[in-house]
Amino acid sequence: GENVEQHPSTLSVQEGDSAVIKCTYSDSASNYFPWYKQELGKGPQLIIDIRSNVGEKKDQRIAVTLNKTAKHFSLHITETQPEDSAVYFCASSGGSYIPTFGRGTSLIVHP
Amino acid sequence: ETGVTQTPRHLVMGMTNKKSLKCEQHLGHNAMYWYKQSAKKPLELMFVYNFKEQTENNSVPSRFSPECPNSSHLFLHLHTLQPEDSALYLCASSNIGRDGGEQFFGPGTRLTVL
Repeated sequence: GENVEQHPSTLSVQEGDSAVIKCTYSDSASNYFPWYKQELGKGPQLIIDIRSNVGEKKDQRIAVTLNKTAKHFSLHITETQPEDSAVYFCASSGGSYIPTFGRGTSLIVHP
Repeated sequence: ETGVTQTPRHLVMGMTNKKSLKCEQHLGHNAMYWYKQSAKKPLELMFVYNFKEQTENNSVPSRFSPECPNSSHLFLHLHTLQPEDSALYLCASSNIGRDGGEQFFGPGTRLTVL
């Protein structure tokens, strides 16, 4: 089955800095790569996603890049703000409609 | 009400109790999921229902019993749980029919087993 590795497990940055979270996957049939943000007391919510026919996607301060050859994808957050503090999960799916999630990254943005 | 709702939000139960978690989705999706989220562990997929048929059961102990009476409602029946079952239980829904697809999560039920 699919295996998704996510790093780092914890990321601490100063407000205004950039944050990068990286994931690798194992199933070459995977073609959908979403990123979820989970705030305290809430369920995960999709913030951005990318499909395998695209190498990069951007939405305001967040962007995702995909390297299908190397089987890795990354989340980039620029100009971080305290409200970006949360746990972020990457996931992949395609061989099956059921996604495989990474272990999560706890992002802390210090004011 | 829109999205995915879960009740109760918090539940404390003894090991001999029987309780049920409820999930409802108002999105017209055809797949629903139960996940377990423990501290310092990844999201653990427990059950998947696709058009009301259970398609996945990830070696979950029989003290957890799912029920999906229709494509909008999902239950998780709990009995004789153990303290290590204390966790956040998340329900999610999605539309299948194409590879991949966004999952919509509910807020979760925080379960404590004494």
